[in-house]
Amino acid sequence: GAVVSQHPSRVICKSGTSVKIECRSLDFQATTMFWYRQFPKQSLMLMATSNEGSKATYEQGVEKDKFLINHASLTLSTLTVTSAHPEDSSFYICSARDLREGGTDTQYFGPGTRLTVL
Amino acid sequence: SQKIEQNSEALNIQEGKTATLTCNYTNYSPAYLQWYRQDPGRGPVFLLLIRENEKEKRKERLKVTFDTTLKQSLFHITASQPADSATYLCALGNSGYALNFGKGTSLLVTP
Repeated sequence: GAVVSQHPSRVICKSGTSVKIECRSLDFQATTMFWYRQFPKQSLMLMATSNEGSKATYEQGVEKDKFLINHASLTLSTLTVTSAHPEDSSFYICSARDLREGGTDTQYFGPGTRLTVL
Repeated sequence: SQKIEQNSEALNIQEGKTATLTCNYTNYSPAYLQWYRQDPGRGPVFLLLIRENEKEKRKERLKVTFDTTLKQSLFHITASQPADSATYLCALGNSGYALNFGKGTSLLVTP
């Protein structure tokens, strides 16, 4: 159990275009999903916390108008990188919190999306 | 500010030996600590969770200790195998908040 999928796994886009990344919890309901980005040999950096049915909470320094998050259902959250630029190229990873784990915040991660902006 | 430190140098060990990875933290009182495995180009995979009132947790060849006085967790892989080669991340958390991750330690197990 506790499988999280992400789509697409890789995307290459031109500068100025928008890219949408989907994160799905396949066999459990996730009221909270998290979006991270990771640069090579660096730690996961939390970008935002996505709660189902409400606005996402963004970490300091993350532009909410650039990284649009929608958590429309208990199994789906989307991250849209708007007007992407080369500096947005990174590895984006989502995770979902399985509330069946007794509130200990065990998070299950998706396989990640490699975004390359040309 | 909160700080989580994992050994940035890669750990190279021989197959069959026990690998020990360290996670130290400062300015933090986590309710629990988790260890994840991450392979290149992949998302982290959850391995073990240990709560602040637990000293030790085991799962197959894995063992985690948690010393809240020393503010340290040790992660052991016994009888290590080349397939255990990966980056291992520790993450600290409190209920209701997002996890805070260390940078990870790369483990290489050679035959």
